[in-house]
Amino acid sequence: QQQVKQSPQSLIVQKGGISIINCAYENTAFDYFPWYQQFPGKGPALLIAIRPDVSEKKEGRFTISFNKSAKQFSLHIMDSQPGDSATYFCASRPGATAGYQKVTFGIGTKLQVIP
Amino acid sequence: GAGVSQSPSNKVTEKGKDVELRCDPISGHTALYWYRQSLGQGLEFLIYFQGNSAPDKSGLPSDRFSAERTGGSVSTLTIQRTQQEDSAVYLCASSRGSQGEKLFFGSGTQLSVL
Repeated sequence: QQQVKQSPQSLIVQKGGISIINCAYENTAFDYFPWYQQFPGKGPALLIAIRPDVSEKKEGRFTISFNKSAKQFSLHIMDSQPGDSATYFCASRPGATAGYQKVTFGIGTKLQVIP
Repeated sequence: GAGVSQSPSNKVTEKGKDVELRCDPISGHTALYWYRQSLGQGLEFLIYFQGNSAPDKSGLPSDRFSAERTGGSVSTLTIQRTQQEDSAVYLCASSRGSQGEKLFFGSGTQLSVL
């Protein structure tokens, strides 16, 4: 049962371009939506996160767009750089009434930024 | 170090053998998670520990898998009678509180079952 559907599974972008990764969730109890970045041989690391009370959050070149009615959220990487080449995971976590703990991850997107 | 530490980093075993994977969380973090990362499968939740509460074992794929956390710190994931389909990277993560925000992951244990 895939509660968080992520696409695409792989993405190639030219340096300076915009990388866009999409996620859709099913559980309306989810109330926290982080994105994690993973480099080869390392564990994932939190990149940016959003709560459903806002529609957009920006940190540097990274922006999350959130559409509560569509149950979708996306990561935009502006001015993509070769150093952004990594695997990106979206995730969702239920709120207090459903038990915070089980963070559910998407399948991951392998991003390659070519010079 | 200040990060989550996992050992061994690589483990090769024969089908049918038991293996133990260790996780040292960040000091002071009360929550500890185990995930499994297989090619094309994303991060699969296995088990969650929070303080002295009963662990959430709902993600363990079979009764061959078990985990414990001693003294609210170090955790061991045990896989009995390993199968080839158990081959994956096993990731441990810890977080400061119970709300599942900002998980800190270790670098994982690459398990290969021959």
